Amino acid sequence: AQKITQTQPGMFVQEKEAVTLDCTYDTSDPSYGLFWYKQPSSGEMIFLIYQGSYDQQNATEGRYSLNFQKARKSANLVISASQLGDSAMYFCAMREGLGTGFQKLVFGTGTRLLVSP
Amino acid sequence: EPEVTQTPSHQVTQMGQEVILRCVPISNHLYFYWYRQILGQKVEFLVSFYNNEISEKSEIFDDQFSVERPDGSNFTLKIRSTKLEDSAMYFCASSWASGGASDTQYFGPGTRLTVL
Repeated sequence: AQKITQTQPGMFVQEKEAVTLDCTYDTSDPSYGLFWYKQPSSGEMIFLIYQGSYDQQNATEGRYSLNFQKARKSANLVISASQLGDSAMYFCAMREGLGTGFQKLVFGTGTRLLVSP
Repeated sequence: EPEVTQTPSHQVTQMGQEVILRCVPISNHLYFYWYRQILGQKVEFLVSFYNNEISEKSEIFDDQFSVERPDGSNFTLKIRSTKLEDSAMYFCASSWASGGASDTQYFGPGTRLTVL
């Protein structure tokens, strides 16, 4: 079974609009972390935002926020006021067993976001 | 701002040759990782390294792969005898810890390996 599912292969948004990129996850571990990374066409992986499974509030970092719905096992990324530079591939990732010494990130297949003027 | 660096940015090699990919993690980080991304596919975990030993590895990380921290700053991935299917982008990452928000893994820019 897929641990991380990103069902939107591509998304389009106009500049200055908000966009939501979907991510659902599957785990039976009560302790986990969810991450979003941005991969521009240049190829590097840029960390955007983190949400811990025990965090009471949704994470926010500037224009990025994470809509964390634990019961639905979803961790959608919301980008407000899109900019042309937001055009990139976006990956959702999960790490299970926080604090146990297991460190690997499991990634989804990504969503390609295109921001148009 | 501290960042993870990787060299070379692009490596072309012949099948069967050995390659060493180099990484300099963020200086105060303690955990180091290698991931790979075959073109158009998702990022896959290879190995994690802590306290001079492998702490976790995936099924991909077979006997052809090895990692080393030869000095206080470099972290290397060696592929002993490259195969065509090893062609991918290889990312190095590092984190300060392995629990909670502080365990965020910061990635380097990647090395694109092309095996001919």
